[in-house]
Amino acid sequence: EDQVTQSPEALRLQEGESSSLNCSYTVSGLRGLFWYRQDPGKGPEFLFTLYSAGEEKEKERLKATLTKKESFLHITAPKPEDSATYLCAVQAWDTGNQFYFGTGTSLTVIP
Amino acid sequence: EPEVTQTPSHQVTQMGQEVILRCVPISNHLYFYWYRQILGQKVEFLVSFYNNEISEKSEIFDDQFSVERPDGSNFTLKIRSTKLEDSAMYFCASKRGQGINEQFFGPGTRLTVL
Repeated sequence: EDQVTQSPEALRLQEGESSSLNCSYTVSGLRGLFWYRQDPGKGPEFLFTLYSAGEEKEKERLKATLTKKESFLHITAPKPEDSATYLCAVQAWDTGNQFYFGTGTSLTVIP
Repeated sequence: EPEVTQTPSHQVTQMGQEVILRCVPISNHLYFYWYRQILGQKVEFLVSFYNNEISEKSEIFDDQFSVERPDGSNFTLKIRSTKLEDSAMYFCASKRGQGINEQFFGPGTRLTVL
């Protein structure tokens, strides 16, 4: 079965302290890797799609990168409003349109 | 900005009862999905729906579950006889078309089975 593993499970950062979240995946053929943000009690909010190794996407303080086995979500100078759970999902060519999600990284940014 | 909406936000039901969870996908989207998230666990795929039929389903989506697009805007998930273990957040998602892979999620319905 396809696997998506995210680390760390939880991360506490001081405001302005940059860091990275990791998403490792094992799929037979990656169709796409997706990053979402989830606030408590809410649905996942789409952030980025990455399709091939070497690809990078940026949005405000977030930058997502992709290699053949993992993706990183880099957070530069985070603010308290960046506090959320960040989910990684993968889509494989041999399993149609369904997404396989990781368990997420819970990020807390302390003022 | 268009968004996926879901009703109700919270549904409480007795074990064995039928529930219908409702979703209104983004209007020009063609592919529809249901996922669930048990408290503290990962988001899990249930079913995908395209062109008025199920295109994929997971092992979770057994005979107790069904989906329907009763009109041009609504997309429903029915659980015929709820079990305690069906308690979860249920998310509806949609995507625009074949070459577009991003799925956009609704806010979810929290289902509590007593």
